[in-house]
Amino acid sequence: DAGVIQSPRHEVTEMGQEVTLRCKPISGHNSLFWYRQTMMRGLELLIYFNNNVPIDDSGMPEDRFSAKMPNASFSTLKIQPSEPRDSAVYFCASSLGYEAFFGQGTRLTVV
Amino acid sequence: AQSVSQHNHHVILSEAASLELGCNYSYGGTVNLFWYVQYPGQHLQLLLKYFSGDPLVKGIKGFEAEFIKSKFSFNLRKPSVQWSDTAEYFCAVNSGGYQKVTFGTGTKLQVIP
Repeated sequence: DAGVIQSPRHEVTEMGQEVTLRCKPISGHNSLFWYRQTMMRGLELLIYFNNNVPIDDSGMPEDRFSAKMPNASFSTLKIQPSEPRDSAVYFCASSLGYEAFFGQGTRLTVV
Repeated sequence: AQSVSQHNHHVILSEAASLELGCNYSYGGTVNLFWYVQYPGQHLQLLLKYFSGDPLVKGIKGFEAEFIKSKFSFNLRKPSVQWSDTAEYFCAVNSGGYQKVTFGTGTKLQVIP
């Protein structure tokens, strides 16, 4: 298996633009997690899905952030409009049992 | 709610020194415990995990961790660190259910040659 695949690896966008991050979990995994990592705040869980259903989105910072999982093999995290403070590395992870497998991350820079 | 505390934010060691990173969790029920490592510029990778059985768990690259239920701890150890162990280490806990994994704030380890 290719592991968790995220795209793009790097994204630079201007403030106010919409940004969409994509994630393909490992085939057969039934849980998917979106994390954000910054120097100031460390690793934060934004939202996680189980069987494509959002279970806990309490980590989503504000209404500008939204996440979807239309099927078991794809998820998106959208930021609209983006702001400079959204600059971070966004990780997607998937799990079947208890161990989470992480993607390579998307480094987002909002200028 | 479950939570994880890592008290050491930044550790600097010389090569061949012994390492112990602290991890405490708060959750009264059955837990699964993990240590992840993140090398510079890379994603998080699993170092070792504890589900049940022998509380002393051995992982990759000579790392081990001991689950002490009475202390709610899962400290990571390595007898002799190498420069290549320079990385950030995250302790994590999962209490089953919907498999939410909660991470600690991480400990940056710097090994000086």
